[in-house]
Amino acid sequence: GAVVSQHPSRVICKSGTSVKIECRSLDFQATTMFWYRQFPKQSLMLMATSNEGSKATYEQGVEKDKFLINHASLTLSTLTVTSAHPEDSSFYICSARTASSYNSPLHFGNGTRLTVT
Amino acid sequence: AQKVTQAQTEISVVEKEDVTLDCVYETRDTTYYLFWYKQPPSGELVFLIRRNSFDEQNEISGRYSWNFQKSTSSFNFTITASQVVDSAVYFCALNSNDYKLSFGAGTTVTVRA
Repeated sequence: GAVVSQHPSRVICKSGTSVKIECRSLDFQATTMFWYRQFPKQSLMLMATSNEGSKATYEQGVEKDKFLINHASLTLSTLTVTSAHPEDSSFYICSARTASSYNSPLHFGNGTRLTVT
Repeated sequence: AQKVTQAQTEISVVEKEDVTLDCVYETRDTTYYLFWYKQPPSGELVFLIRRNSFDEQNEISGRYSWNFQKSTSSFNFTITASQVVDSAVYFCALNSNDYKLSFGAGTTVTVRA
């Protein structure tokens, strides 16, 4: 089955530093990847759509300068949380589809638990 | 706009009991897709099933079964003879004519031995 790898799985950083999270599609090419954020005991909220070779599309209320997304290749998207603060602590999950059709299921990475101290 | 509602926040059952998770959705589109995902304590999201709006045939896969009723906009999920390993958060999700997947709030299932 389709595999999406996310790294790191856990990261603790100090307030004011930046953290980069990688999302890779291991056995398929993904022109589009999605970044979700999940607060404890809550649902997943779409943050942005990452498009290979072009700018990401951010959802309303998500600061694009805060959450930098780069999708430089068909198998890699990165999310950088810049100048992280404790309120950025959350579970971040990336996902991708194996086919361009919107009805194909999303396959998710294992998530990254970010803790900002 | 589309919306997914999972009214049950938490369900706790004893092993071998059946558990049904409710999902009600709203969309103005005539073509749409519904999904169920499982999120175990480890955090990853596992795809369980996809159903399109034109296929109301119910499905059984092992101990899992799904009941899609377009007339009531519901896509319920049943785990038969639950096991401790079924303990997880289950999400119902919907997308229509764009690439965004809208998730319900999730239902936490706890199966006690």
